Amino acid sequence: GQSLEQPSEVTAVEGAIVQINCTYQTSGFYGLSWYQQHDGGAPTFLSYNALDGLEETGRFSSFLSRSDSYGYLLLQELQMKDSASYFCAVRVRHGSSNTGKLIFGQGTTLQVKP
Amino acid sequence: DGGITQSPKYLFRKEGQNVTLSCEQNLNHDAMYWYRQDPGQGLRLIYYSQIVNDFQKGDIAEGYSVSREKKESFPLTVTSAQKNPTAFYLCASTPGQGKNEQFFGPGTRLTVL
Repeated sequence: GQSLEQPSEVTAVEGAIVQINCTYQTSGFYGLSWYQQHDGGAPTFLSYNALDGLEETGRFSSFLSRSDSYGYLLLQELQMKDSASYFCAVRVRHGSSNTGKLIFGQGTTLQVKP
Repeated sequence: DGGITQSPKYLFRKEGQNVTLSCEQNLNHDAMYWYRQDPGQGLRLIYYSQIVNDFQKGDIAEGYSVSREKKESFPLTVTSAQKNPTAFYLCASTPGQGKNEQFFGPGTRLTVL
């Protein structure tokens, strides 16, 4: 089967750096995405890694190691508004679809404290 | 303003009734998706469509049906065959052709009494 694992909760203080890890077991892997979801809201896209290495977008960075089936999201200079759930999602091959499909992890709830 | 709209935001139905959730997008995206989210859980794919008049089952399609008669619209029907229909339903779209970002609508919270 296909599965993803990420920690259920992470707590950090404002201004700190936090890393959210994601390990996966899939077949037909295309890439790893990260989404942010505030309570009661819609998920919003943060990043996508198809190749090994680090991608940086402002305060957020995402890393992928295909050989280790592992990735992480790094959030720097944490702000109170970063308190949310963060989901890793793998894009995998599915039937004849040229876009594949996303399989989401259970989510990590990040609480940023003053 | 381009985006995805879902209506209504909250929906209540009696057990045994079918209910249709609407999803409309004006982003000119080819692919559209329906997900279900239960409290404290990730999103699970119900159905998706890459082009008009074509759709594929996702991971939890049983008890659901969809149609894609227009590019802009991808309604989801929750039938009485769905055993636990109470959930948060999210619609998403992508431009297709290998584009990776999915854009989500605000969601519909369905409660079956």
